[in-house]
Amino acid sequence: GAGVSQSPSNKVTEKGKDVELRCDPISGHTALYWYRQSLGQGLEFLIYFQGNSAPDKSGLPSDRFSAERTGGSVSTLTIQRTQQEDSAVYLCASSLGGMNTEAFFGQGTRLTVV
Amino acid sequence: GNSVTQMEGPVTLSEEAFLTINCTYTATGYPSLFWYVQYPGEGLQLLLKATKADDKGSNKGFEATYRKETTSFHLEKGSVQVSDSAVYFCALPVGYNFNKFYFGSGTKLNVKP
Repeated sequence: GAGVSQSPSNKVTEKGKDVELRCDPISGHTALYWYRQSLGQGLEFLIYFQGNSAPDKSGLPSDRFSAERTGGSVSTLTIQRTQQEDSAVYLCASSLGGMNTEAFFGQGTRLTVV
Repeated sequence: GNSVTQMEGPVTLSEEAFLTINCTYTATGYPSLFWYVQYPGEGLQLLLKATKADDKGSNKGFEATYRKETTSFHLEKGSVQVSDSAVYFCALPVGYNFNKFYFGSGTKLNVKP
């Protein structure tokens, strides 16, 4: 597609349930990022994939969070046993992966844990 | 370590007023610097970038100059419009090849007619 696509756009889940968020990056982009944007806050880095290298998971807030990227393209962010503090907008971005290259963002998934 | 500090908002201006949004950074090496904008209901998009010291990035009437001596990258516009109302984020690429972004906390700009 023309841009980064995320699904679903909105997700309401009950506390304790698992959720999966999907990201389709721009074709040909080797780098993929997940960020979290809480209400009124900046963007919190979660995880970064670059090609076939081991992902940089340094931003994942707990072991309830995990992400994978299959075939170097689509990525899924999984949150297990969701908590209310997980409520936020989850943003995915992709880039060509070179030094100082622009990241292109999706519209995000708004997650609400009730 | 690497960090980005951005002035807090919200900033409320009248149309045609002058805008400055401050951004300072701490970085290892010589990264490029970026400003991203998030219009209401939309995703983040690149506004402008500067790749080295003393470079000026510009787009849509906005400018920012990469100041190594003051470690700053302040965003300016001489005459804002209502359509500029958005949240602005300063961003710093970090990591061994400068491709992981740290973002500032964002500054919300409200422009009134």
